[in-house]
Amino acid sequence: ELKVEQNPLFLSMQEGKNYTIYCNYSTTSDRLYWYRQDPGKSLESLFVLLSNGAVKQEGRLMASLDTKARLSTLHITAAVHDLSATYFCAVNSGGYQKVTFGIGTKLQVIP
Amino acid sequence: SAVISQKPSRDICQRGTSLTIQCQVDSQVTMMFWYRQQPGQSLTLIATANQGSEATYESGFVIDKFPISRPNLTFSTLTVSNMSPEDSSIYLCSVSRAGSYNEQFFGPGTRLTVL
Repeated sequence: ELKVEQNPLFLSMQEGKNYTIYCNYSTTSDRLYWYRQDPGKSLESLFVLLSNGAVKQEGRLMASLDTKARLSTLHITAAVHDLSATYFCAVNSGGYQKVTFGIGTKLQVIP
Repeated sequence: SAVISQKPSRDICQRGTSLTIQCQVDSQVTMMFWYRQQPGQSLTLIATANQGSEATYESGFVIDKFPISRPNLTFSTLTVSNMSPEDSSIYLCSVSRAGSYNEQFFGPGTRLTVL
């Protein structure tokens, strides 16, 4: 059974600082996704990572994938308050199109 | 991406009753999924809604409790049957298309409270 772990679960950081969220998964997979969820809202797709060494960037967020280590990172550069949200990684469970979600990282950026 | 709507957006229901949630997509999609998200928690997949056949349920979820329909490629319903307070949750539908790397797009969710 595929397990997806994220850490940290909670992250409080000051504006302007950098930080990284980690996503580990337990079995081989070739697709990893990052989503953002604002309080009381649905999930917004941020990144789709498809291969080992894949790196994608959007604004202050950069995601990478190491399939050999079964690890993805979401790096936040010079955080701003608008990035406050919960971030989920999700991993394709193979065969079917379903994915397994991590528990989420709640990010709070303090002005 | 896709434009996805869900109805109702929220509801408060009495124990023992049933609620049907609708998910409508603005264009044809390959896959439709139903998730449950309890407050402050991650998403748990309930089932995959298959067009023209029975839904595929995940461990811990059964058809009698969560019957699902998918009559066409743009619409699905999830019914939460014989509700108890433990069913209070947010229910989300998501969709994906063939050739889109299985990327899922989510509806706005239905917030259900069972008294």
